Amino acid sequence: KAGVTQTPRYLIKTRGQQVTLSCSPISGHRSVSWYQQTPGQGLQFLFEYFSETQRNKGNFPGRFSGRQFSNSRSEMNVSTLELGDSALYLCASSSQGHGYTFGSGTRLTVV
Amino acid sequence: ELKVEQNPLFLSMQEGKNYTIYCNYSTTSDRLYWYRQDPGKSLESLFVLLSNGAVKQEGRLMASLDTKARLSTLHITAAVHDLSATYFCAAQGNAGNMLTFGGGTRLMVKP
Repeated sequence: KAGVTQTPRYLIKTRGQQVTLSCSPISGHRSVSWYQQTPGQGLQFLFEYFSETQRNKGNFPGRFSGRQFSNSRSEMNVSTLELGDSALYLCASSSQGHGYTFGSGTRLTVV
Repeated sequence: ELKVEQNPLFLSMQEGKNYTIYCNYSTTSDRLYWYRQDPGKSLESLFVLLSNGAVKQEGRLMASLDTKARLSTLHITAAVHDLSATYFCAAQGNAGNMLTFGGGTRLMVKP
């Protein structure tokens, strides 16, 4: 059974640019959530999608957005990148009663 | 607002010794999770604890949950070097399908 796939694995962007990250969940999982991990703030919840609808949103500015497609794949977008957006972005796939499985993450560096 | 605190943040121990990591959470939580993270890697699921008094064991690791005390513990028995990693607990609150993580415990097991 394939796991959670995140692409790309690494990204380097310049301040002010925008970036799109992708996450393909485990087959059959309809919930996808996103987390940001930084040394200073730890692991923080960004948002969660279920059946193409955002169900929960964390405390992040509007520059952070996401969406989910009918095949449950999800993308998150960060616009007007800031240095502080440098982080490991983790996607988690979940199904009722089966917990959360995390992808390998996308490491974003903003220069 | 659900808050999760772990202690200690850093733990250096000798091989063969036992130790416990503590995870306190502030409000009612549906589920409690434990994850392991190796440097530069994603989160590996260790345990999901669903109810008061739940105890799960895998190898040298045992996790327990006391919902009345809002406390989960991860006990390490006869530590070996391969257990060196950062361990996170995460609570899933009643507000939705999202995890609130503790700050992590960096474990170093010395020969």
